[in-house]
Amino acid sequence: GAVVSQHPSWVICKSGTSVKIECRSLDFQATTMFWYRQFPKQSLMLMATSNEGSKATYEQGVEKDKFLINHASLTLSTLTVTSAHPEDSSFYICSASDRGGLGEQFFGPGTRLTVL
Amino acid sequence: AQSVTQPDIHITVSEGASLELRCNYSYGATPYLFWYVQSPGQGLQLLLKYFSGDTLVQGIKGFEAEFKRSQSSFNLRKPSVHWSDAAEYFCAVGARGTASKLTFGTGTRLQVTL
Repeated sequence: GAVVSQHPSWVICKSGTSVKIECRSLDFQATTMFWYRQFPKQSLMLMATSNEGSKATYEQGVEKDKFLINHASLTLSTLTVTSAHPEDSSFYICSASDRGGLGEQFFGPGTRLTVL
Repeated sequence: AQSVTQPDIHITVSEGASLELRCNYSYGATPYLFWYVQSPGQGLQLLLKYFSGDTLVQGIKGFEAEFKRSQSSFNLRKPSVHWSDAAEYFCAVGARGTASKLTFGTGTRLQVTL
């Protein structure tokens, strides 16, 4: 149980284009989803927290207009990197927390984004 | 604000040797504590967690961790390391309650020599 998937697992795009990454909870309802960014050989940095049906809460320093987050249902959240640039290249990981749980997060396998 | 310190950036141990990875946290109350492992290019796998109760927590793959409130520590241990344990290990702290955000340490890279 408690499986989280991400799609795609890797994506390469041209500078200036937008890329959408999906995060799905496969066997539970995720009232809250989190998006993290990880640079090579570094730790995970929380980008934003999204609650189903509400606007995402972004961490300080994260551009909300560049990283659009939508949590339209209890099983799906999307992260759209708009007008991507090479500096947006990174490993993006989502996690989901189930309704009524103790707060444990279940992590997806991550998405490797490379912007050329 | 909560924070996590993993003092060791890189550790090398021989296969079969014991392992201890250090983690110290800063939090105003009793936190939720986690250890995750990440293989290159992969997501995070939960090794173990502490919410309450017995302060010695058993996890998967033969790992255990001990919560020591007086030392604000949650060190990860394994009595005998296998070559497949080579990976990045992250300690994380979260506030109690539902869907609380986690704060991660900087990670410890474990190398295992044969």
